[in-house]
Amino acid sequence: QSVLTQSPSVSGTSGQRVTISCSGSPSNIGSNYVYWYHKLPGMAPRLLIYRSDLRPSGVPDRFVGSRSGTSASLAISGLRSEDEGDYYCAAWDDSLSGFVIFGGGTKLTV
Amino acid sequence: QLLLEESGPGLVQPSGTLSLSCTVSNGSITTTNHYWGWIRQSPGEGLQWLGYIYYSGSTSYNPSLRSRLTMSINTSANRFSLKLRSVTAADTGVYFCARHGGSRDGHLPGLNWGQGILVTVSS
Repeated sequence: QSVLTQSPSVSGTSGQRVTISCSGSPSNIGSNYVYWYHKLPGMAPRLLIYRSDLRPSGVPDRFVGSRSGTSASLAISGLRSEDEGDYYCAAWDDSLSGFVIFGGGTKLTV
Repeated sequence: QLLLEESGPGLVQPSGTLSLSCTVSNGSITTTNHYWGWIRQSPGEGLQWLGYIYYSGSTSYNPSLRSRLTMSINTSANRFSLKLRSVTAADTGVYFCARHGGSRDGHLPGLNWGQGILVTVSS
């Protein structure tokens, strides 16, 4: 089955900038939007980025999404302690009649 | 603010059927281009998409679960449901319902999620 590949972990200190990457294929990131979610233990995922580079109302502009070819990335600047948690990318995959695929998640430590 | 709330048994016997419902409030489940889906997270694992249903009854399922999964929708009750058959311990996890976007949004889960419900498969 198609996969979205994320690095298992990333770390940074307060105020720093980190980038989380998401690698896919032509059938998913290569031809469809990428979404990013922040997940804390015991909580529902929170949407951070939709349509690859748009932020919902209330998401700080410290979070910036981008997509190029079959890869996407989420940049977080001005790191804060509350940014800790797991980050997931997701995209629609056009194969096998179509389905939503999530990346394996990246654990951010601040 | 659209609210979603999962409900159902927290314990299911192995080889049995996992049945969950998601009730939508402060909004209509028949809104155009709103799709209604399920995502789960097994212990220590990442997020896994299960599928979605539209108010018309059309569905899209995760290919790896398609043979065991059925989703349904009750528009009069503003509720949609999931049935997962022949469950094993690997189906243990937290199940979230979420509103998905339409085709312009790639049919992905958006802003509105339920709080999640823990389902354990065990005898």
